[in-house]
Amino acid sequence: GQQVMQIPQYQHVQEGEDFTTYCNSSTTLSNIQWYKQRPGGHPVFLIQLVKSGEVKKQKRLTFQFGEAKKNSSLHITATQTTDVGTYFCAGDNAGNNRKLIWGLGTSLAVNP
Amino acid sequence: GAVVSQHPSWVICKSGTSVKIECRSLDFQATTMFWYRQFPKQSLMLMATSNEGSKATYEQGVEKDKFLINHASLTLSTLTVTSAHPEDSSFYICSVPTSGRRYEQYFGPGTRLTVT
Repeated sequence: GQQVMQIPQYQHVQEGEDFTTYCNSSTTLSNIQWYKQRPGGHPVFLIQLVKSGEVKKQKRLTFQFGEAKKNSSLHITATQTTDVGTYFCAGDNAGNNRKLIWGLGTSLAVNP
Repeated sequence: GAVVSQHPSWVICKSGTSVKIECRSLDFQATTMFWYRQFPKQSLMLMATSNEGSKATYEQGVEKDKFLINHASLTLSTLTVTSAHPEDSSFYICSVPTSGRRYEQYFGPGTRLTVT
């Protein structure tokens, strides 16, 4: 079946260092979405990428969608302790059931 | 985006009892809602798709008689865990997908269920 692989599973950085998480889908996606879940919280929608090769920025966060629409990345520049949490990518295969295919998430820990 | 509430936020119940969890879309009419289950430090596992006015669609391996879903209105879906057992202890989260072509999902705060 369709899968979305996400690496790394965990990342521990010093505050101020950069961080990147990668997603790779087994199939071409209609779009890919990114969510952040703080410890003890629920996933919160961050962004959606639709176009091949698309790059979007949100302050220190940069999101990319690959040319083949099968992979994506989230890069955080100069991490802060507020960035702590688990980042999930979720692929939409444009099926009419609106279901997303979720990556396993990358847990980010930031040392102050 | 949609504002989604869940009730209760946490519940402790005894083995063999049933627990009902409510998911409400406060500002968005949702013909579809999703129910997820999440174990500690793990990803989201989609359990079922709740459809307003019709039966829920369950994912493979999810017992529909154990996890009863009722989508009573465009703003309310309920998940009932019947005859709960300790292995049902988990974090249950609902989400509401937005309409249109871009189905980003807005999540409720989740319900932490502990079965003793």
